[in-house]
Amino acid sequence: LAKTTQPISMDSYEGQEVNITCSHNNIATNDYITWYQQFPSQGPRFIIQGYKTKVTNEVASLFIPADRKSSTQSLPRVSLSDTAVYYCLATPPDDYKLSFGAGTTVTVRA
Amino acid sequence: GAVVSQHPSWVICKSGTSVKIECRSLDFQATTMFWYRQFPKQSLMLMATSNEGSKATYEQGVEKDKFLINHASLTLSTLTVTSAHPEDSSFYICSASPDYQQFFGPGTRLTVL
Repeated sequence: LAKTTQPISMDSYEGQEVNITCSHNNIATNDYITWYQQFPSQGPRFIIQGYKTKVTNEVASLFIPADRKSSTQSLPRVSLSDTAVYYCLATPPDDYKLSFGAGTTVTVRA
Repeated sequence: GAVVSQHPSWVICKSGTSVKIECRSLDFQATTMFWYRQFPKQSLMLMATSNEGSKATYEQGVEKDKFLINHASLTLSTLTVTSAHPEDSSFYICSASPDYQQFFGPGTRLTVL
């Protein structure tokens, strides 16, 4: 499983866009990039997944450059309830085992 | 999305006792479920892969005789922490998948006194 590296923490204010960049220099050809969100004392929740270029859903956007060595998850117009830990993972399509890194603690302030 | 439940949500036990945690997939069948452990301020660590009808696969460093896993049906996996000690106090989370996406349970907070 490819290792991912992300900032330990990020601070933001309500209404701002939050961009979290994840490095995955050794990502395998078949790996997808998957992001999870975790609130304290809860299980992680799937946010978004992509392979290349751009993916957007109702929660976030995921930008993946052509070399796929990094990716950026964008959270538009964050609110206080978006305060959480966000995990970036490189996941093979046929292996459901997940390897979580340290994640990024995003704190949104009023 | 698919729903995974855990029971109990929290448990307090005395040192030396055993505790069973259940993980259920409520609206799908899961031949494979995963158990994770998370200590305060740390990330999730995969403990084992639970396989329906066969033995679980444990990650390196996880004692299989201490953390007993039973996957008796396609919707239920149980994790039993045997002879629990204070160092086993942690947040235990399971996950399951009906397709390519993993769905996580709400977690079980275990406190061993």
